[in-house]
Amino acid sequence: NAGVTQTPKFQVLKTGQSMTLQCAQDMNHNSMYWYRQDPGMGLRLIYYSASEGTTDKGEVPNGYNVSRLNKREFSLRLESAAPSQTSVYFCASMQGQGNYEQYFGPGTRLTVT
Amino acid sequence: QKEVEQNSGPLSVPEGAIASLNCTYSDRGSQSFFWYRQYSGKSPELIMSIYSNGDKEDGRFTAQLNKASQYVSLLIRDSQPSDSATYLCAVMGSYIPTFGRGTSLIVHP
Repeated sequence: NAGVTQTPKFQVLKTGQSMTLQCAQDMNHNSMYWYRQDPGMGLRLIYYSASEGTTDKGEVPNGYNVSRLNKREFSLRLESAAPSQTSVYFCASMQGQGNYEQYFGPGTRLTVT
Repeated sequence: QKEVEQNSGPLSVPEGAIASLNCTYSDRGSQSFFWYRQYSGKSPELIMSIYSNGDKEDGRFTAQLNKASQYVSLLIRDSQPSDSATYLCAVMGSYIPTFGRGTSLIVHP
């Protein structure tokens, strides 16, 4: 079991460029999440998908879109990157249905210049 | 706005001592509570979950929950330098978790 995988591990973008962060889990989990982590700010929820076919905004959704492609995959898209989106992005998954333990991917370190 | 508060630290303890990490939360209806460990440059790793009032022990780790006081704690016995990390407290609402900003723990030889 690979658990939760994320690609890419590192990315540098110029302001205005777009990119998609990929996330996949092989634990048959129902729920998936995208977070960003900035120094001193802790983990902040961007979007989540409680189950396949649903997505909802979290605390900081502006500038991002998501797609729950299937039960395994949940992608995060930056349409027009801004320096304020420089951060470390984590994907996580959770079984749900009474089991709320989250498992995190290794993260993507994104720099927007 | 649901809040989870942790002392940012750093909490410095000598090797072999007990490290005590604390967390308070604002949503009285919360039912699920978690502790994650995060090494520098790595992703958070789940180390404990607790759902009922009282203590839950797993090896050197003990989680304590007091819902009346809205307080969760993590005790690490026989602390080792390898325990040096940031510890995140998380409280689960309805499919939406709220994380504290974490407490940095330093275990010195």
